[in-house]
Amino acid sequence: DVKVTQSSRYLVKRTGEKVFLECVQDMDHENMFWYRQDPGLGLRLIYFSYDVKMKEKGDIPEGYSVSREKKERFSLILESASTNQTSMYLCASSPRTSRFSYEQYFGPGTRLTVT
Amino acid sequence: DAKTTQPPSMDCAEGRAANLPCNHSTISGNEYVYWYRQIHSQGPQYIIHGLKNNETNEMASLIITEDRKSSTLILPHATLRDTAVYYCIVRVDPDSSYKLIFGSGTRLLVRP
Repeated sequence: DVKVTQSSRYLVKRTGEKVFLECVQDMDHENMFWYRQDPGLGLRLIYFSYDVKMKEKGDIPEGYSVSREKKERFSLILESASTNQTSMYLCASSPRTSRFSYEQYFGPGTRLTVT
Repeated sequence: DAKTTQPPSMDCAEGRAANLPCNHSTISGNEYVYWYRQIHSQGPQYIIHGLKNNETNEMASLIITEDRKSSTLILPHATLRDTAVYYCIVRVDPDSSYKLIFGSGTRLLVRP
């Protein structure tokens, strides 16, 4: 079974803090993704990475950065957390070598609250 | 990308088959049908996908009509743990963006 784990299920941070969200997958997948999910707005892609040290912006990269130093780990960084970044953050991975690139495996999510 | 239409909600009795429909009348020849679900407060879960043949795995079966304008996800023996929102997605594959976009989905309630 593919397993994607995220460092925290719930996180509370203060405005202006630097926040690190970690994601680890154990299936040797090339692609990794960070999404946020908000009621009424659905799933929105923040960043994705198709290889170590490679990253591409998604639809809403502002206020976020990412790091992929190892294949299994993809980190999302909120440089200076703001209240509008309160959300559910979801990490996913998928194998690039598979034809079926929308076969993505998600972690359990991190519910971040910024106060 | 082809748009999909799903009923907003459905229910079924535990142990019975749950049949979730999806209309995708503008689907093109190189677009696949994917199904995901999301249980409350959890990450989305990939279920199954197909192009034109019916598909089955340990979780579900996917029936795609011959004209490919609609499909049905079948959970053969629904359990309470299958209560979730189910999303039907149509995408070209492979695609440069890999971005998943969920519509509003069908909220399935499995009754005891």
